[in-house]
Amino acid sequence: DAGVTQSPTHLIKTRGQQVTLRCSPKSGHDTVSWYQQALGQGPQFIFQYYEEEERQRGNFPDRFSGHQFPNYSSELNVNALLLGDSALYLCASSLPGVLDYEQYFGPGTRLTVT
Amino acid sequence: QQQVKQSPQSLIVQKGGIPIINCAYENTAFDYFPWYQQFPGKGPALLIAIRPDVSEKKEGRFTISFNKSAKQFSLHIMDSQPGDSATYFCAASVRGSQGNLIFGKGTKLSVKP
Repeated sequence: DAGVTQSPTHLIKTRGQQVTLRCSPKSGHDTVSWYQQALGQGPQFIFQYYEEEERQRGNFPDRFSGHQFPNYSSELNVNALLLGDSALYLCASSLPGVLDYEQYFGPGTRLTVT
Repeated sequence: QQQVKQSPQSLIVQKGGIPIINCAYENTAFDYFPWYQQFPGKGPALLIAIRPDVSEKKEGRFTISFNKSAKQFSLHIMDSQPGDSATYFCAASVRGSQGNLIFGKGTKLSVKP
């Protein structure tokens, strides 16, 4: 049973560029959440997608956007990259309903902005 | 009010010891409290979770103690092993938040052989 997968593993971008990160949820899961983890910090919630719509959003600017596809996979897009966007970006998947709080994380994408 | 405060920031124990990591919260709407384990270069892995209607939950060597009146919860690792050396995060989720987890800042645990 495949867990949550993310691509790419590492990415280096220049300030001002745009980036797209990808996530495939755990088998049987249909809800995808994205988190940003700065070095030495806990993950911070960016947003969550369910039924191809953004269901909830954390305190992140509109430069951060996302998408969910019919197969439940998801993309995180970040425009106009800033140096402060350098972080580990984590995708987590979960089931809806009573168990939807149980989130399972992927290995993350390490984004470095220079 | 949305914060989860975690302590200590780092912890060193000998093999076989019982490290204890503590978290405190203010928001009484939190109704789900998971603990995650993260190794360097990896994503967080769900260890164990508790809801406020119980005071303790055990899974293998991991135990969560929950004190609703004090708004505190803690993770105990019994018979700790060097392989338990990792960063541990507590988290909390607000009722109706659709699973938006609010994390503590983490505790780096080192278990010496």
